[in-house]
Amino acid sequence: NAGVTQTPKFQVLKTGQSMTLQCAQDMNHNSMYWYRQDPGMGLRLIYYSASEGTTDKGEVPNGYNVSRLNKREFSLRLESAAPSQTSVYFCASSEPGVQGSYEQYFGPGTRLTVT
Amino acid sequence: RKEVEQDPGPFNVPEGATVAFNCTYSNSASQSFFWYRQDCRKEPKLLMSVYSSGNEDGRFTAQLNRASQYISLLIRDSKLSDSATYLCVVRGTGRRALTFGSGTRLQVQP
Repeated sequence: NAGVTQTPKFQVLKTGQSMTLQCAQDMNHNSMYWYRQDPGMGLRLIYYSASEGTTDKGEVPNGYNVSRLNKREFSLRLESAAPSQTSVYFCASSEPGVQGSYEQYFGPGTRLTVT
Repeated sequence: RKEVEQDPGPFNVPEGATVAFNCTYSNSASQSFFWYRQDCRKEPKLLMSVYSSGNEDGRFTAQLNRASQYISLLIRDSKLSDSATYLCVVRGTGRRALTFGSGTRLQVQP
């Protein structure tokens, strides 16, 4: 049981290049999320998917697109990378827990640098 | 105003000390509350949920004050392994996504 996995772990891009961050979970969770974390700031939600076939914008969606490929996989795409997108990206998944709490489980993160 | 605010610290305490963190949230309709722990360059992991009646898990005690809109975490008998950043996390009404504070860093010293 791997939980939430992310690839790649590290990536360096030049400005204008594109890439897709992959995320998969094996916990049969319906909801999946993409966050970014910058120094001195909390995790900020980019996009989330409440269930297979649905996606919704979060707090900072500009410059990103997502695909909920199936129940297990949720990918994040940068079409034209910018230095402002240098960050650590975390994928997470959840299912209603005790008292409907929706506790989230995170992947190990992708460290992205855009030069 | 940030939705979830925490003192960034760092809190430097000796082993065996008791330390407390507070966190305030702005949305009075928030439904669920958590403390997550994040080690350096690692992913956040759930430490404990925070219930209205308060709850304890070993050396950790979490409390919620809805009237004042703050959450607290108390760590007793601090261990070196408690050194980490503690994230205060809130879920709003009807939303499955969580709002994270920027974290409070704890450094336990020998």
